Amino acid sequence: DVKVTQSSRYLVKRTGEKVFLECVQDMDHENMFWYRQDPGLGLRLIYFSYDVKMKEKGDIPEGYSVSREKKERFSLILESASTNQTSMYLCASSQGGPAKNIQYFGAGTRLSVL
Amino acid sequence: DAKTTQPPSMDCAEGRAANLPCNHSTISGNEYVYWYRQIHSQGPQYIIHGLKNNETNEMASLIITEDRKSSTLILPHATLRDTAVYYCIVRGSQGAQKLVFGQGTRLTINP
Repeated sequence: DVKVTQSSRYLVKRTGEKVFLECVQDMDHENMFWYRQDPGLGLRLIYFSYDVKMKEKGDIPEGYSVSREKKERFSLILESASTNQTSMYLCASSQGGPAKNIQYFGAGTRLSVL
Repeated sequence: DAKTTQPPSMDCAEGRAANLPCNHSTISGNEYVYWYRQIHSQGPQYIIHGLKNNETNEMASLIITEDRKSSTLILPHATLRDTAVYYCIVRGSQGAQKLVFGQGTRLTINP
């Protein structure tokens, strides 16, 4: 089974802190994604990566950056956390090509910024 | 990507088959139908997908009408653990990477 592991299930941070969310997948997938999920807004794509050191902006990249130094690991960085970044963050991975729409998700990190 | 329409909520008795409909009347020839579900406080889970033939796996069956304008996800023997929001997504193999989850159907399995 594909496993996508997010480093924390719950995280509480203060405004202005730099926050790192880590995601690791064990299926040698080319693509990795970071989404956030908010009530009434559904899932929104923040960033995705289709290869090591490659990244593409999603719909809401402002206030975030990402890092993919190894194929299995995709990190989301909140440079200076703000209260409007309180959300559920979901990491996903998929194979490339026609299978890219079969995305496997982690359990999510519920981040609270105070 | 084609728009999908799902009922906002459904109930089903435990042990019975749960049939979740999805309308996608504007689907184009190269677009697949994908089903995901999200159990409360967890990440979405891929269930099944299909192009035009019916599909079955260990989780569910997918029935796509001959004109491809609608489909039904069938959970043959629903359990309490199947209580979740179910999303029907239509996507082609080209284009943007992101998945767009609509409002889905909140399925409640009752004991």
